[in-house]
Amino acid sequence: AQSVTQLGSHVSVSEGALVLLRCNYSSSVPPYLFWYVQYPNQGLQLLLKYTTGATLVKGINGFEAEFKKSETSFHLTKPSAHMSDAAEYFCAVRTYSGAGSYQLTFGKGTKLSVIP
Amino acid sequence: EAGVTQFPSHSVIEKGQTVTLRCDPISGHDNLYWYRRVMGKEIKFLLHFVKESKQDESGMPNNRFLAERTGGTYSTLKVQPAELEDSGVYFCASSQDKSGMRDSAGNTIYFGEGSWLTVV
Repeated sequence: AQSVTQLGSHVSVSEGALVLLRCNYSSSVPPYLFWYVQYPNQGLQLLLKYTTGATLVKGINGFEAEFKKSETSFHLTKPSAHMSDAAEYFCAVRTYSGAGSYQLTFGKGTKLSVIP
Repeated sequence: EAGVTQFPSHSVIEKGQTVTLRCDPISGHDNLYWYRRVMGKEIKFLLHFVKESKQDESGMPNNRFLAERTGGTYSTLKVQPAELEDSGVYFCASSQDKSGMRDSAGNTIYFGEGSWLTVV
């Protein structure tokens, strides 16, 4: 069964500092991996996704993530944090339910705070 | 293009009452999903419609939850009777079935803003 672990339920960074949000997955098949973001009082928005091909994936708002099979990781990074990046971030892996359906299995989320 | 819309955005009901949540997917999207996040927990899959058919309802917690998608357009999720542990955020999502496969990896799943349910 697929699963996702996000290390750190809360992460604080200074404005302008590197953002690193960790995600490790477990999958018995080649994984399809996703990062979603939820800004306060908003829904989930797709930041980026990895399916196949290039292991370094670029997303919106300057975020990127690198798929590392050997480490079973898909960490999210951004070189310079902005105040507007404060949100909750969710890592997810596509899971086959066995009922002819794919779904997303999410991690518990990481709340990012950006300190001025 | 309108996104996934959900109604109501917030609902406070008493234990034992009934609540119906509605989701309008993006026009043309065959796949419609319900997920929920209860307090402090991860977002969990509830069920998946393909058009009007329930493709997978393995995540539905119990028979107090009933989802429908008549006509393959909008969907409703009814909780009857509501219990305290049902409190949380209910997300609806949709995706297009481009290739004929059931939610192939290339299909982005778009989420709504969620319906926040509080049972008191």
